[in-house]
Amino acid sequence: GENVEQHPSTLSVQEGDSAVIKCTYSDSASNYFPWYKQELGKRPQLIIDIRSNVGEKKDQRIAVTLNKTAKHFSLHITETQPEDSAVYFCAASKPGSARQLTFGSGTQLTVLP
Amino acid sequence: DAGVTQSPTHLIKTRGQHVTLRCSPISGHKSVSWYQQVLGQGPQFIFQYYEKEERGRGNFPDRFSARQFPNYSSELNVNALLLGDSALYLCASSAQGGGNQPQHFGDGTRLSIL
Repeated sequence: GENVEQHPSTLSVQEGDSAVIKCTYSDSASNYFPWYKQELGKRPQLIIDIRSNVGEKKDQRIAVTLNKTAKHFSLHITETQPEDSAVYFCAASKPGSARQLTFGSGTQLTVLP
Repeated sequence: DAGVTQSPTHLIKTRGQHVTLRCSPISGHKSVSWYQQVLGQGPQFIFQYYEKEERGRGNFPDRFSARQFPNYSSELNVNALLLGDSALYLCASSAQGGGNQPQHFGDGTRLSIL
């Protein structure tokens, strides 16, 4: 089955700096890659997603890039703010009747004021 | 519009008991998926239901079962509870079963097994 690896497990940045979280996936058939933000005690919140027919997608301070050949994708957060502090999860899924997301192990992002 | 709603929010059970968790999807969504999130890990897929049919099952024992009702709400049942079943159980809904439809999560049910 699909395996998603996520790095780093923890990341601390100064407010205003950029943060980058990287994920690799194993199944070349995967074609949908969402990112979720989970604050302590709260639900995972979809923040951005990308499909395999696109190499990059941006939404304000957040961007995701996808390299299908290398089977990796990354989350980029610019001009970080303290409210960006949370656990971020990447995920992957492939075509089929089941919309099964395989998640990475998460990155604890801390933005220092 | 209401998001995905789950009940109860917290539950404490003892080993060997069974539990039923409930989920109501976003209005108009026909697909419901269940995930287990152990502390410090990413969610793990348990089931997906679409149009009241099971469309996918993760690597969980037969003690775990689920169903979807005509109004697209869903129940997750776990029998013969083990200590290792302690986790946050998340429900996610999407508009359709297949395709690249975003999944939106509820707040989850935190299950503690004593």
